[in-house]
Amino acid sequence: DVVMTQSPLSLSVTLGQPASISCRSSQSLVHSDGNTYLNWFHQRPGQSPRRLIYKVSNRDSGVPDRFSGSGSGTDFTLKISRVEAEDVGVYYCMQGTHWPTWTFGQGTKVEI
Amino acid sequence: EVQLVESGGGLVQPGGSLRLSCAASGFTFSSHAMNWVRQAPGKGPEWVSIISGSGGSTFYADSVKGRFTISRDNSKDTLYLQMNSLRAEDTAVYYCAKTGSGSPDYWGQGTLVTVSS
Repeated sequence: DVVMTQSPLSLSVTLGQPASISCRSSQSLVHSDGNTYLNWFHQRPGQSPRRLIYKVSNRDSGVPDRFSGSGSGTDFTLKISRVEAEDVGVYYCMQGTHWPTWTFGQGTKVEI
Repeated sequence: EVQLVESGGGLVQPGGSLRLSCAASGFTFSSHAMNWVRQAPGKGPEWVSIISGSGGSTFYADSVKGRFTISRDNSKDTLYLQMNSLRAEDTAVYYCAKTGSGSPDYWGQGTLVTVSS
């Protein structure tokens, strides 16, 4: 199975400052169809996960443009340009390339 | 607006069975593969199972293969998960999730399954 490794596991940020989370996969996430199915999710306490980014860098509808995704192959990054209070919670990367077994990272807890 | 509402969770003894349901609305249910994803207390999400839009193809995580069965009723816009031979390690919040652009784009609020004597 593909293993997804996130770093850091915990991140203390200052309001208005940038933040960055790294995600590394044990195998390349480039699919035979040419796409790279790397996704990012945000989960607030007591809520369901919400997808923020799909296929490395595409923001979902309603996701603020302060969130951006980048990377290729096995190394990926989620960046928040200016952290806001509502951004606290846990962020997960998830690979969908090696279908049908989707695998998630361990999560990165972001607090202010 | 996409809505996914799970039900059927609860407390069950080890070795017991439970059937989860997920009522979908706000999209063409039969056009989308659907999933069950679970999250044990304090842990990250774990994909459990997926079913194609027609219901003709199903896949399972190794941890539940042979014990869980995913199914759907497109006439009722409802997804199911039949869980048999439940173990303590199956304790989790179970989410149903719609597939979009190759990953779960919408999730329900989840239903808690607790396996304990």
